[in-house]
Amino acid sequence: DTAVSQTPKYLVTQMGNDKSIKCEQNLGHDTMYWYKQDSKKFLKIMFSYNNKELIINETVPNRFSPKSPDKAHLNLHINSLELGDSAVYFCASSQENGGVSPLHFGNGTRLTVT
Amino acid sequence: DAKTTQPPSMDCAEGRAANLPCNHSTISGNEYVYWYRQIHSQGPQYIIHGLKNNETNEMASLIITEDRKSSTLILPHATLRDTAVYYCIVRVRGSARQLTFGSGTQLTVLP
Repeated sequence: DTAVSQTPKYLVTQMGNDKSIKCEQNLGHDTMYWYKQDSKKFLKIMFSYNNKELIINETVPNRFSPKSPDKAHLNLHINSLELGDSAVYFCASSQENGGVSPLHFGNGTRLTVT
Repeated sequence: DAKTTQPPSMDCAEGRAANLPCNHSTISGNEYVYWYRQIHSQGPQYIIHGLKNNETNEMASLIITEDRKSSTLILPHATLRDTAVYYCIVRVRGSARQLTFGSGTQLTVLP
């Protein structure tokens, strides 16, 4: 009964490949996020979707494209992977609807680009 | 959005209270203070949040100064499993714009 689940947990791939990370939440939340945690451990928001609509798109390369097929899913597709994309990617969700709902995070996907 | 500053690291003896400070001197009146922690190799975990009153839940207590420019997270009886990086962030109620988490405080609970 995991609240926010991401797959895969580990992803090792070569430069230039295209890969996707999937995220699903069963909390009924209306907002989902993707965060990137680099080697210095800073957690930076990349995207936020509210009811399947993109509402935050921080400065990330356009090789990164989020896709939300429904309110419970937010997938992250990455084209032409580069060495600098190596990081841990976290999905999160919250119930925003005017409230102060905290974020619920998944356990991350460790992406290694060789 | 207000920013926060936290000490990079702290130690605490097992069984003692751990007091983690956070400065948010530019916080706005409608911004809440949130605390999260990240245990190694896991996703961040929500701990507690507050606006101006002190708050307590089963995990911790949050003390916010009267001028709201700083706060302290208190773990009343720290255990080894509380060893983690603790993040303090601020956000506006109802805003889906979650801030970038800073570098946080690495709390090490010593046996």
